[in-house]
Amino acid sequence: GAGVSQSPRYKVAKRGQDVALRCDPISGHVSLFWYQQALGQGPEFLTYFQNEAQLDKSGLPSDRFFAERPEGSVSTLKIQRTQQEDSAVYLCASSWSLDRAYEQYFGPGTRLTVT
Amino acid sequence: AQSVTQPDIHITVSEGASLELRCNYSYGATPYLFWYVQSPGQGLQLLLKYFSGDTLVQGIKGFEAEFKRSQSSFNLRKPSVHWSDAAEYFCAVGHGSSNTGKLIFGQGTTLQVKP
Repeated sequence: GAGVSQSPRYKVAKRGQDVALRCDPISGHVSLFWYQQALGQGPEFLTYFQNEAQLDKSGLPSDRFFAERPEGSVSTLKIQRTQQEDSAVYLCASSWSLDRAYEQYFGPGTRLTVT
Repeated sequence: AQSVTQPDIHITVSEGASLELRCNYSYGATPYLFWYVQSPGQGLQLLLKYFSGDTLVQGIKGFEAEFKRSQSSFNLRKPSVHWSDAAEYFCAVGHGSSNTGKLIFGQGTTLQVKP
C-alpha cells in the first residue's frame, strides 16, 4: 500500500495565524510520531501516539502546539499563533506496533514558513 | 541525556571511492542505533539498524555500519559510492529505556559525490 502521506506539503503562514498539518499513516500502523526539522538540523521529536492515546508529548515546544489522533489513524498537528521560530519541516512517521516502534516509516514532511 | 554527534557536516567523495560517515552517541545503556538517508524533498529512509548481536550490520543500498561500544560509535560505510548516494545522512539513537520508539537524531552529514 501507500506510504505515509502528509498534507499540505508546503504551508506559508503569517505570524499569528493558526495552522493544521495532517498526517495519514500507513494503514494498520499503530504508532505515530511527529518530528520537527529546522533548517540544517536533524529531526527533533515532538510527540508520540499509540492508537489514539498520546503517550509522550515531551517534545512539544510550547502550549501553542497541539496534536491529536482521535480515531487512531489520521493525526493532525496544530500550531496556534504561529511565530517565525516555528518555521521548519514537520515530519510524521508511523510504525506497526510498540514492539516494532523503532521501525518507523517517514512521510515527506510539511514545510512550514512563517512570515 | 542521550545525544548523537555527527562530526562531519559536509563530505565530498569521488564516485567509486569508499565512504565512511562518523557517528558518536552518548547513552547509558546499550543503545538502539540507526542510520537514515534523506534526499531532497523526500522523507527519511531507514538504511540500517542495530539492536543487539553482531556488531557489523548490513543495510540497503550496499551500506553497512559497525557498532563499537568502546568508542561509542556507529560509523556508516560503503565500499564504492554512486552518484545517487548524494543526500543527507542522519544517525539516530533510540530511547531504549522506555521503548516508545522516540528517536534522537544527529545534525546530519551532507554527502556530495563528484563525477
